[in-house]
Amino acid sequence: NAGVTQTPKFQVLKTGQSMTLQCAQDMNHEYMSWYRQDPGMGLRLIHYSVGAGITDQGEVPNGYNVSRSTTEDFPLRLLSAAPSQTSVYFCASSRESNSPLHFGNGTRLTVT
Amino acid sequence: GQQLNQSPQSMFIQEGEDVSMNCTSSSIFNTWLWYKQDPGEGPVLLIALYKAGELTSNGRLTAQFGITRKDSFLNISASIPSDVGIYFCAGSDSGGGADGLTFGKGTHLIIQP
Repeated sequence: NAGVTQTPKFQVLKTGQSMTLQCAQDMNHEYMSWYRQDPGMGLRLIHYSVGAGITDQGEVPNGYNVSRSTTEDFPLRLLSAAPSQTSVYFCASSRESNSPLHFGNGTRLTVT
Repeated sequence: GQQLNQSPQSMFIQEGEDVSMNCTSSSIFNTWLWYKQDPGEGPVLLIALYKAGELTSNGRLTAQFGITRKDSFLNISASIPSDVGIYFCAGSDSGGGADGLTFGKGTHLIIQP
């Protein structure tokens, strides 16, 4: 199994541009989530999904959209990037609600 | 929201020394998790704790779920160079899955040979 795969690994955007961060998992996990990691802030939950067709907001959802059309994929969309969204983004999945998260290797995003 | 205080923020130790770090919370958690993150990679689960008072080992690592459910510690015995990285504690109301982990800000472990 590849586990949790995130693409791209690095991305530079200009303010106002849009893009989608991709996340796929091949472990048939129901639960998927997106976190952002900023220096001195730890990891903060952006959005999560408890199954295909179901998504919900986390701690810092503003400026981000998600969808979950399949069990495997959970893309994160930035509709109009802002410098405050410069961060490292991690996708994670877990088998059930009471199973620990498995993380991807992250996407480092810079917004200029 | 829930707050996790993780300490120390960083540690500079000699190879072979034992390491201890801890997390305290302003509220009760049902699950405590400890992750390690290497540069350029995502966090990797080290130990999961599901019961107050539980003491669990994984090789040279030992973690405990505090009796009050508001704290946890991680010990590393006889540190080696590959232990270098950032260690995160995380707490959850459930099992630590996608509906929300609260993370500490991390402990940077630096080992001098």
